Amino acid sequence: EAQVTQNPRYLITVTGKKLTVTCSQNMNHEYMSWYRQDPGLGLRQIYYSMNVEVTDKGDVPEGYKVSRKEKRNFPLILESPSPNQTSLYFCASRYSTRDSPLHFGNGTRLTVT
Amino acid sequence: DAKTTQPNSMESNEEEPVHLPCNHSTISGTDYIHWYRQLPSQGPEYVIHGLTSNVNNRMASLAIAEDRKSSTLILHRATLRDAAVYYCILRGLQSDYKLSFGAGTTVTVRA
Repeated sequence: EAQVTQNPRYLITVTGKKLTVTCSQNMNHEYMSWYRQDPGLGLRQIYYSMNVEVTDKGDVPEGYKVSRKEKRNFPLILESPSPNQTSLYFCASRYSTRDSPLHFGNGTRLTVT
Repeated sequence: DAKTTQPNSMESNEEEPVHLPCNHSTISGTDYIHWYRQLPSQGPEYVIHGLTSNVNNRMASLAIAEDRKSSTLILHRATLRDAAVYYCILRGLQSDYKLSFGAGTTVTVRA
């Protein structure tokens, strides 16, 4: 089944403890992206990747890192999480053409205390 | 970047059509119009997209104004499962990689 898989689904951590949220897709998509969703603010893009080893900042990249060493994986790294990074996170992927739909994962609910 | 404007919320009765408007007055000729929806506790899912002509698929229809400055997503017979947040976004040459979603339209379906 074609899908975008995020892990974990839920995560509670403390301020400053490094964490990684994984994202994997099995559709051979070139493009992958991370979003955070907060009440009333829609989905804001954190980082995106156009292909392996090619990443760039979205609208809200501060406090996050990403890497794209393999086409299928696009982990989101929080080196020193803070409470304002408490949010619902979504990973998405698609082919590189402009009419290609985005496929989203089921989300990761992160709480930083 | 071309922006979209949607109403915050809409209500409908079950088995009645729902027409969701989206204004995009600064759309460029190469921008695709995409619609997604997000069911409660799930990630967004693709609904439909178009460039100039009206489009139909098993989920919905997309009606695009002749001047392309607005579009309407049509759910022909709303069901309770259609209760969701609906997002209208534009994807163009300048905005196809750096892409965020607005607050969308929250659709409530009454039984």
